[in-house]
Order: sequence, then C-alpha cells, then structure tokens
Amino acid sequence: DVKVTQSSRYLVKRTGEKVFLECVQDMDHENMFWYRQDPGLGLRLIYFSYDVKMKEKGDIPEGYSVSREKKERFSLILESASTNQTSMYLCASSLWGTSYEQYFGPGTRLTVT
Amino acid sequence: EDKVVQSPLSLVVHEGDTVTLNCSYEVTNFRSLLWYKQEKKAPTFLFMLTSSGIEKKSGRLSSILDKKELFSILNITATQTGDSAIYLCAVRRVASGSRLTFGEGTQLTVNP
Repeated sequence: DVKVTQSSRYLVKRTGEKVFLECVQDMDHENMFWYRQDPGLGLRLIYFSYDVKMKEKGDIPEGYSVSREKKERFSLILESASTNQTSMYLCASSLWGTSYEQYFGPGTRLTVT
Repeated sequence: EDKVVQSPLSLVVHEGDTVTLNCSYEVTNFRSLLWYKQEKKAPTFLFMLTSSGIEKKSGRLSSILDKKELFSILNITATQTGDSAIYLCAVRRVASGSRLTFGEGTQLTVNP
C-alpha cells in the first residue's frame, strides 16, 4: 500500500526558532512536494523536487528551504519561524512518467507563537 | 499565472441530496484536471480528466471536463454523511512534470 508519512501531526514552535518538517515515502517516487494549506486559499506549492539533491521553487518559497539527500526523504526547513507560517503543511509524492497522481501524507499542523 | 477557482466554497446539504461542485481554470498549455477528496487528513485521489465530454464515474461520484469552456464539475448523487469533506480541484500543464495548481477547495457538509 502506498505510504507517505510526516514526522509530526502537530507542532508548536516559538517565533524565531528553526523548524524541520520531514516527509518519507516508501514508493520509490522521483517527485516530492511540499504544500501549505490555509482556509480559503487551498493548497499552495512551496517547493518540489524531481530527484535527489534537486529542488525547484514553487509559488510561495519565501521563508522556506528544502533538503533532499535521499530519494525517499524530503525535508522542509523554516529558518526562522514567524507567526504567518502557522498553517497545515502537506507533503506529497508522485512517479515521474505517465502517472501524475500525487499521494499525500497526513499533514503537520504547525503553530508558531 | 495559472488560476483555478472552485465554487461554492462551502455547501451544506441533507443526506440523499445531489450536489454539483464546480471548478473553472485558466491554464497555459492545459494537460489534465484532477479531483481530490480531503477528509480529516491526507487528500485522496478521485479522478483525472484529460478529454472533453468523457464522464469519469466511481459509484455515486462522477465528473466531466469541458475544455472549450474551461471548467469541470463533480457530481455526487444520493449523498451520505461520509461524503462530508473538502473537495479539491487541481490542474496540470503540459511539460510540468507532476506539478499541480490547486483551487481553494469546496467544503461539503452532509447532515443526516
């Protein structure tokens, strides 16, 4: 069964802290994505990666960075968390090729106080 | 810039009702449109549509795409409380790999 896992379901951090959100997929997918989801705004793409050590900016990369050192793992980093980064963060993965369906993880609800 | 607009943003119905959710889009080099259902956690894939006028169906859910008018609808007949969820529409461009642009989502609530 297809599986995408995220390191935490709920996370509370203070303003200015460095935050790591981790995502792991067990499907040998080439593509991995990080989104944030806010009410009324839908899912917005932060960063994505087509391969190990490769990354591309999405629509809202400011304030975030990513790391992909292994194919199965994609990390989202908030260098200095701010209150406007309070959100639900969703990770997804997909195959490169004819199947463009993305498989999502359960999400991490991050609160920055 | 790609744009996906869903309507309504929220909808409350009674069990047994039929609902229609709308998704309109403006995309350069359109390739496909996808529908997802999101209950409490991860969005799950429902349909992918690439051709106009061909209905995709799964049980009580069906969807169709109109590439001329740039929209899609998702129909749910005989709704059940388990259909309560956020329904997300997303579009993909040609040569964009798996990158998707999502709409705001429609929050559907089905009351018993």
